[in-house]
Amino acid sequence: QSALTQPPSASGSPGQSVTISCTGTSSDVGGYNYVSWYQQHPGKAPKLMIYEVSKRPSGVPDRFSGSKSGNTASLTVSGLQAEDEADYYCSSYAGSNNRNVFGTGTKVTVL
Amino acid sequence: QVQLVQSGAEVKKPGASVKVSCKVSGYTLTELSMHWVRQAPGKGLEWMGGFDPEDGETIYAQKFQGRVTMTEDTSTDTAYMELSSLRSEDTAVYYCATEDTYYFDYWGQGTLVTVSS
Repeated sequence: QSALTQPPSASGSPGQSVTISCTGTSSDVGGYNYVSWYQQHPGKAPKLMIYEVSKRPSGVPDRFSGSKSGNTASLTVSGLQAEDEADYYCSSYAGSNNRNVFGTGTKVTVL
Repeated sequence: QVQLVQSGAEVKKPGASVKVSCKVSGYTLTELSMHWVRQAPGKGLEWMGGFDPEDGETIYAQKFQGRVTMTEDTSTDTAYMELSSLRSEDTAVYYCATEDTYYFDYWGQGTLVTVSS
């Protein structure tokens, strides 16, 4: 099972928006509405930001939103803040055999 | 609130095995679906395997089948991940994480396993 494809980096100024893509296939992203997104600061464990494509766990700011079209999912961070600077990973259910596959990761820089 | 506390860092020689523990509090292990994810230095996240509540069995990523064993001690609410035949490429931070409908909602703090001769 290959990793989902994400851009290596993305950036924006404070207050701006940044969108990260996550491209898979019809066997994972395109086949199920089970895409999740994780934020990871250096030296820390990942934190769940979005699940089931567009749902936010309690405590996650509504500046974070998710969507999906075909085989590509997206995470948008609106109103960028300094603390949003981190690595972001997508993940998708990929069927009973492979179950979970992660994306390659995107480093978001707040300029 | 689920809390996951993992065992400390390990240094192993190539060919050896390592066993990492993950202690659950706030819930009992039987209420959770525990999975393991690793991250090599400077690299991305990699799912290793975990408990599938639909089948009641532990499933492993194809890459690790035959080399990894995930077990649970429900009397102490502790999950374990044992990886054998270690090689340098297994140097990574290993995380336990609870799964809820194909997403990981709670994570341990991570355990660094270094494989070096």
